[in-house]
Order: sequence, then structure tokens, then C-alpha cells
Amino acid sequence: EDQVTQSPEALRLQEGESSSLNCSYTVSGLRGLFWYRQDPGKGPEFLFTLYSAGEEKEKERLKATLTKKESFLHITAPKPEDSATYLCAVQALGETSGSRLTFGEGTQLTVNP
Amino acid sequence: DAGVIQSPRHEVTEMGQEVTLRCKPISGHDYLFWYRQTMMRGLELLIYFNNNVPIDDSGMPEDRFSAKMPNASFSTLKIQPSEPRDSAVYFCASSLWPINYEQYFGPGTRLTVT
Repeated sequence: EDQVTQSPEALRLQEGESSSLNCSYTVSGLRGLFWYRQDPGKGPEFLFTLYSAGEEKEKERLKATLTKKESFLHITAPKPEDSATYLCAVQALGETSGSRLTFGEGTQLTVNP
Repeated sequence: DAGVIQSPRHEVTEMGQEVTLRCKPISGHDYLFWYRQTMMRGLELLIYFNNNVPIDDSGMPEDRFSAKMPNASFSTLKIQPSEPRDSAVYFCASSLWPINYEQYFGPGTRLTVT
């Protein structure tokens, strides 16, 4: 069974204080690892897809990296508008599970001004 | 592109009543997913369709839940009869696989069953 564990559950940062969120996963064969951002009262918003160990992707102050067992979402010099819940999900190889995503519980990030 | 559209955005109903949630996926997408999100269990996949055909409904909690996709632009999730423990936010998502593996989510329907 595919499993995704995110840590920490909650993180408070001061504006400009860089940090990282962790996503550990167990999957029989990884097709892709996804990061989403979710604001209160809204649906998850797609951020990144990572496919293989060593891959990195960046968007503004966010950078996602991937190893064979975990992914990190690095937040550089965060701003209050980066406050949200960040969700990690994995998609396994295999015909029957080709499109299913398994989500972690999320990390709730608060950036104080 | 309008994105995934869901209606209603909020639904309050009494226990025992029938509830129908609606979803319009992104035009051209061939996969449609229904999720439920609660504080206790996070985001759970209920059922998904490929080209309007249900592929996996193993996440549907009980026979009280049913989902249909009569055409490529419309899907419903029905709960009959509803119970207080069904209170949650229900999301619909769509994707175009394998062109893009990522799923795009709608704004959700917040269901409260009293």
C-alpha cells in the first residue's frame, strides 16, 4: 500500500526565514510525486511534479527536490502570502493505479510579517 | 479556461435527506476524480472515472454513496440517505492522462449534515 508522511504538521516562520518541508513516501514504483498548495476554503492548487531522484523544480520562492525515499519543499525568504497548507502526493506505476494519487496529511505553513 | 466547476459550494441538509453534488471537469480531460477531505482523515479518493466509465470505486465508504458520469462534461456524487458523519468538503478533480499526470481540483462543496 502506498504511503505518504509529511512533516512537520505545522510550521511557523518569520518573514524571510527560510525552511524546508518534508515528504516521505513508500510506493511500489513511483510514476510521479506532486506538490500542491491549499488555501483555506479552496481546492488544492498544483505546484510541481517530480518524476525521478535528483530532479529539482523551482517556482518563485519554492524549490522541490526528490530522492528515492523523500521529497523536500524548500521555501526561501518566505512572505506572508506563502501561508497555506502544502500537500504532497504520489502516483504509482501500474495500469490499475495509473492515475490514483495518494496524499499526505499536509504541512500547515504560517509566515508572520 | 474556467477550471473545474463544482456546485453547490455549500450544502446544509438534515440527516436522512438525499444530497447531490455536481462537477464539470476541465474541457478535454479524460479522468475525473471525487475526493473527500476531513480534518481526521485528510484527502481521500472516493471514486474515479476514465472516459466516463467508473474505474475504481473502492474508496466509496458505503452503499449510500453513488457516482455517475453521464457524459464527458458532467458528473454527480449522490448520498442517500445522508448522515452527520458525511459532513466534509467534497472535491472534484480532473486530469488528461498521460499527457499531464497532475490533477486539477475544483473549489469544493462543503457539506454539513445536521
